[in-house]
Amino acid sequence: NAGVTQTPKFQVLKTGQSMTLQCAQDMNHNSMYWYRQDPGMGLRLIYYSASEGTTDKGEVPNGYNVSRLNKREFSLRLESAAPSQTSVYFCASSEAPGSYEQYFGPGTRLTVT
Amino acid sequence: GQQLNQSPQSMFIQEGEDVSMNCTSSSIFNTWLWYKQDPGEGPVLLIALYKAGELTSNGRLTAQFGITRKDSFLNISASIPSDVGIYFCACLRTYKYIFGTGTRLKVLA
Repeated sequence: NAGVTQTPKFQVLKTGQSMTLQCAQDMNHNSMYWYRQDPGMGLRLIYYSASEGTTDKGEVPNGYNVSRLNKREFSLRLESAAPSQTSVYFCASSEAPGSYEQYFGPGTRLTVT
Repeated sequence: GQQLNQSPQSMFIQEGEDVSMNCTSSSIFNTWLWYKQDPGEGPVLLIALYKAGELTSNGRLTAQFGITRKDSFLNISASIPSDVGIYFCACLRTYKYIFGTGTRLKVLA
C-alpha cells in the first residue's frame, strides 16, 4: 500500500497562473484533508471532505477550491495563484471524520513568484 | 483563529539527554495528539490522549493530558539522533484538527 500520495512534489508558478494539486489514498478512508504549512505557523486546514460527496471549508479556504473526485481522490485547485500561497501543502486522510489517526502525504512544495 | 502555543520553539540537546516540551490552549479540548514531522515528510502520529490527567507512553515517549484540558506535555527520554524533527501538538474540534506551531528538536551526537 502506498498510503497517501501527492503530485507534484515541487511546483513553481507565476502570479495569476492556475494549477491543481492531486491527492490519492489507498486505505479506503472516508475523510480527506488539505493543509498548508508555513514557517512558524504549524499546519492550517484549508478544506476537508468528511465523506465522499461532501466538502467543507477549514481555517484558510480563500483562494482555493477542492473536488472530492471519488472516495480515493481529493484535489486542491488554485485558480489564480498569489505569492501568499507559497507554502508546503499536505494532504491527509482518516478512516472517519474526526478519527484521531490522520495519515499524511509527503507534501507539495509550491512557490509562486 | 484558535491557536495552540508550543514551547520551546526549538531546542538543541545532547544525545542521551531527556527532552520536555509542552502545548497550551486558551480553550478546553477533549482530545490531544502529538505528531512528529521528519525533514521533507508529512507528520506522523506519535501519541493520542483522550482523558484529562491521562499519562500515555510509547517507547521512550511519554505524554500527558493536562487536568484542566487546556494543556499537554511530551517527554522524550534518552534522546537519539533520529529524534530530530518537528514535534506538533494537535487538538480535535468536531471534524477539524488544530495544530500547534511546533517544537523543532535538534540532537547533537
